[in-house]
Amino acid sequence: DIQMTQSPSTLSASVGDRVTITCRASQSIDNWLAWYQQKPGKAPKLLMYKASHLENGVPSRFSGSGSGTEFALTISSLQPDDFATYYCQHYYSYSYSFGQGTKLEIK
Amino acid sequence: QMELVESGGGVVQPGRSLKLSCAASESTFRSYAFHWVRQVPGKGLEWMAIISHDGRDKYYADTVKGRLTISRDNSKNTLFLQMTNLRPEDTALYFCARTWVAAIGTPGAFDIWGQGTLVSVSS
Repeated sequence: DIQMTQSPSTLSASVGDRVTITCRASQSIDNWLAWYQQKPGKAPKLLMYKASHLENGVPSRFSGSGSGTEFALTISSLQPDDFATYYCQHYYSYSYSFGQGTKLEIK
Repeated sequence: QMELVESGGGVVQPGRSLKLSCAASESTFRSYAFHWVRQVPGKGLEWMAIISHDGRDKYYADTVKGRLTISRDNSKNTLFLQMTNLRPEDTALYFCARTWVAAIGTPGAFDIWGQGTLVSVSS
């Protein structure tokens, strides 16, 4: 199975900061990578698909990059609503594993 | 936009069975593949199973293969997850999620999620 590793596990930042979360796959997944945002007590919400494509309705301050095994999610200017947990996920080759999550906290 | 509502969770004793349901709000349900994903409280997301749009193809995570059966009834716009021989480590919030593709072999992210139903396995 393909393993997904995110870093950092926790990230402390302030409103207005630019932050980047990284995700590494244990083998190449081309660009079949999604990013999700989850808030406490809520279902995950799709932010990005195919590594760099923004889901409809997601603010443009979110962007994604990468291919193969190395990926990143960047938030250009943090807003109060962005403090949440973020997960990467691959959807390649009959396997859909998630990263362990990155909790984005207010500094 | 399609809405998904899970039900069927509850407290169950180890070794028993439970069947979860996920009701969709639209008949376009029949056009998409669906997944089950679970989350232990306070922990990360774990993918469990996928079923194709017509129910013919199914695929399971190795960790639950043999104990879980995913199925669907397109006439009722409903997805199911039958769980057998439940263990305490199966305690989790179970989500159903839609992918925008019909077939299992076609890559698709999970674009619509239900709110989850909580399963607690305890004696």
